[in-house]
Amino acid sequence: DTAVSQTPKYLVTQMGNDKSIKCEQNLGHDTMYWYKQDSKKFLKIMFSYNNKELIINETVPNRFSPKSPDKAHLNLHINSLELGDSAVYFCASSQDLGRAARSFFGPGTRLTVL
Amino acid sequence: DAKTTQPPSMDCAEGRAANLPCNHSTISGNEYVYWYRQIHSQGPQYIIHGLKNNETNEMASLIITEDRKSSTLILPHATLRDTAVYYCIVRVEDNYGQNFVFGPGTRLSVLP
Repeated sequence: DTAVSQTPKYLVTQMGNDKSIKCEQNLGHDTMYWYKQDSKKFLKIMFSYNNKELIINETVPNRFSPKSPDKAHLNLHINSLELGDSAVYFCASSQDLGRAARSFFGPGTRLTVL
Repeated sequence: DAKTTQPPSMDCAEGRAANLPCNHSTISGNEYVYWYRQIHSQGPQYIIHGLKNNETNEMASLIITEDRKSSTLILPHATLRDTAVYYCIVRVEDNYGQNFVFGPGTRLSVLP
């Protein structure tokens, strides 16, 4: 069973389009996150959600809007895509807010904006 | 976060113990040692962490020196599926979520 799943794995789209990435965890965790991998080794926190409530919204453009319909899902919607949005996006979950460093990560979604 | 240094690559025979070293000589008193790995084209996977005592879980053991300036991750019986890049980082235990900054890591190849 996949603990944290993301779809799609690859997403290629044109500038200006709107797209969504879905994330689901079946671990019963309270907290979910979105990260952007800017370079090979740097995962930048974008959002943290705890029990469907937004806890952290780092300096992310408001074109990025997370939505958590329930505790097991955290989707990421991106409006008006720009070239600089091209990156790998990781969803993650942890048992609670205090264990973010022990998160389970999804496989990543490689977004390419043309 | 303190910097870490790891050997760039290591080989290990299947079934043998893999011992992965990490130096973190500038670690602060409130920083933990965390180990993760990343198998090609997958997300990072948390393995184990510790502050000053040795730790063991179902995946690995972590040995931290008394001065906390270095540590060793031990995979007791390496399998082919343990082939991955292993990252040692030191960071405070956080709430809410922080950035992950991985160094080059150690590329472990488990050989049949």
